[in-house]
Amino acid sequence: DVQLVETGGGLIRPGGSLRLSCAASGLTVNNNFMSWVRQAPGKGLEWVSIIYSDGRTYYADSVKGRFTISRDNSKNTVYLQMNSLRAEDTAVFYCARATGEYYYYYYMDVWGKGTTVTVSS
Amino acid sequence: QSVLTQTSSVSGAPGQRVTISCTGSSSNIGAAYDVHWYQQLPGMAPKLLIYGNTNRPSGVPDRFSGSRSRTSASLAITGLQAEDEADYYCQSYDSSLSAWVFGGGTKLTVL
Repeated sequence: DVQLVETGGGLIRPGGSLRLSCAASGLTVNNNFMSWVRQAPGKGLEWVSIIYSDGRTYYADSVKGRFTISRDNSKNTVYLQMNSLRAEDTAVFYCARATGEYYYYYYMDVWGKGTTVTVSS
Repeated sequence: QSVLTQTSSVSGAPGQRVTISCTGSSSNIGAAYDVHWYQQLPGMAPKLLIYGNTNRPSGVPDRFSGSRSRTSASLAITGLQAEDEADYYCQSYDSSLSAWVFGGGTKLTVL
C-alpha cells in the first residue's frame, strides 16, 4: 500500500523557520515526482513545490526564495524547509506524488493526510 | 483570485445530476493542458477523482465523469448521493506562471 505521512507542523512566529517531512512507504521518492500542496484555513488548494526524480526543483512564486524542497533517499523522505515564514503561510501542508506523461500533464494521485503550520505571534 | 475559475457552490437532490465547471485561459486549459479533478471530503485530504480530462482512477464510481472543451472543463456527477457532499477542485498547468494551478473549489451540497 502506498502511503505518505507528513510531520513537522506546528506554531511558529513570523520570520521563523520550520522543516516539514514527508515519509513515504510503498513508493521510492527518488523514482517519483514529489510535491507539496497547501491549503489555508477555509481556502482552496495551492501548489507549493515539486522535486523531480532527476533532482530538479520548482516553486510557486509565493514561496520562491524562502522555501526549499529536498529529499533523503536513504530515509525515503521528502522535506520542505520553510524560512522567513509569514502569517499568510498558515495552512495545512500536504505531500503528494505527482505523475503524468509530461510535466504539463502532471496530477497528484497519492496524498498524505497533511500537517498544520500556524504562523502567528 | 484563482487562475482557474469555479462556481463557489452547487447543490442537488439525491439521485439528480449536477455539473461543476472550471474555466481557464489560453495559458492553461486553452493550451491543451490536461484538467484533473479532486474530491475533498470534510476534514480530509484531497483525493484524485478524474485525471487526464476524462479518466477515472480505479475505485472511482462511473457516476463521476469529466470533459474538456477549448478553455473550460466540467465534472458531472449523476445519481447524486449524500456521500458526494464535498469540495471539488479542478487542476491544470499554467505556462505563464510555470506552475500547477488549482481552481478555487466548488462546494457540493446534497439537499
